Amino acid sequence: QIVLTQSPALMSASPGEKVTMTCSASSSVSYMYWYQQKPRSSPKPWIYLTSNLASGVPARFSGSGSGTSYSLTISSMEAEDAATYYCQQWSSNPPTFGSGTKLEIK
Amino acid sequence: EVKLVESGGGLVQPGGSLKLSCAASGFTFSCYTMSWVRQTPEKRLEWVAYIINGGGRIYYPDTVKGRFTISRDNAKNTLYLQMSSLKSEDTAMYYCARHTDWWFAYWGQGTLVTVSA
Repeated sequence: QIVLTQSPALMSASPGEKVTMTCSASSSVSYMYWYQQKPRSSPKPWIYLTSNLASGVPARFSGSGSGTSYSLTISSMEAEDAATYYCQQWSSNPPTFGSGTKLEIK
Repeated sequence: EVKLVESGGGLVQPGGSLKLSCAASGFTFSCYTMSWVRQTPEKRLEWVAYIINGGGRIYYPDTVKGRFTISRDNAKNTLYLQMSSLKSEDTAMYYCARHTDWWFAYWGQGTLVTVSA
């Protein structure tokens, strides 16, 4: 199965700071998906087909990448963006998730 | 509004069985592929089962194959997960999810399954 490695596992950013987190796949995938999860809530769909924002996601978020390397970027950190972000692939069975990047506000 | 409401979780002994349900509303349930996804106490996410809209194609990862059975009743807008021979490593929050293509576009609030003696 394809293993997704997210880095860093934990990071913090100040309001207004640019944030980038990465997801590395053990084999090439066609697309990457991202979810945002806050404590005591279920994961929320966040970015689909690598770079498309789900409904309601602020435009300061973006996704990019190809092959084995993908990233999620926040152009200007806001307090509400503090959460854990998971990447997911389904280019091959079984679908797999990364272990998450926990983003904290400084 | 798409709504998915899971139920049926609880405390069960190792080797026991449990059946989860997911009531769907706000969309034409029979038209969509559905999955169960679980989140372990360590917060790791793991896909557990998948069933296409008509129920004709079903997939499981090796970790649950032969022990878990996914099914759906399109007339009742309900998804099920029958779990048997439960192990401690099956302890997790279980989420029902609706697909759009190859991602989990909508999630329920989850139901907690604890496997412990």
